[in-house]
Amino acid sequence: QAGLTQPPSVSKDLRQTATLTCTGNSNNVGNQGTAWLQHHQGHPPKLLSDRNNKRPSGISERFSASTSGNTASLTITGLQAEDEADYYCSAWDSSLNIWVFGGGTKLTVL
Amino acid sequence: VQLVESGGGVVQPGRSLILSCAASGFTFRSYNMHWVRQAPGKGLEWVAVISYNGGFKYYADSMKGRFTISRDNSENTLYLQMNSLRAEDTALYYCARELSAFDIWGLGTMVTVSS
Repeated sequence: QAGLTQPPSVSKDLRQTATLTCTGNSNNVGNQGTAWLQHHQGHPPKLLSDRNNKRPSGISERFSASTSGNTASLTITGLQAEDEADYYCSAWDSSLNIWVFGGGTKLTVL
Repeated sequence: VQLVESGGGVVQPGRSLILSCAASGFTFRSYNMHWVRQAPGKGLEWVAVISYNGGFKYYADSMKGRFTISRDNSENTLYLQMNSLRAEDTALYYCARELSAFDIWGLGTMVTVSS
């Protein structure tokens, strides 16, 4: 089962903007919406944006999600030290009837 | 709103294990529920989903035929029956609620498959 494609790592300076990408196909990202999760090791993952690109209550406006074709993006503005974490995208695949995850992007804030 | 997994431990290859996930603080019977795992040093991997009423169940290919997801809405509990365990099933297993994505997660329960 092929998953979604994310760059393994991204590094950005404090207070800068990071854009993380997630590429799938028309059966998942392109038509089913993409969720984004933040994962600090030792803690459970946290949902940042749901399949409709909406932030759950309590999630900072610095996190915003969008989709163009088969690629989803998560933009994080005003990077803070606590944003350093692993970020995962996930989508329902309507052809395979499974949820798929990306391999995760490790964000380093310099 | 809380999910609490239990049942993990060390098990020999080929043996079975049942994980549980106790839900509280929300109407459990109204939500689809998932199991997601993370092997040591690896990323998140989706395992299985069960609909709110148990009407459908889907599995990742590598778990199909070996794992069974189920739920007891009267007990607000989600289960994962894992058979024919392999070393590569060693992971932290999370249960998660689905509200347009995985919006609530438990802390996870660790499963180690080793002889």
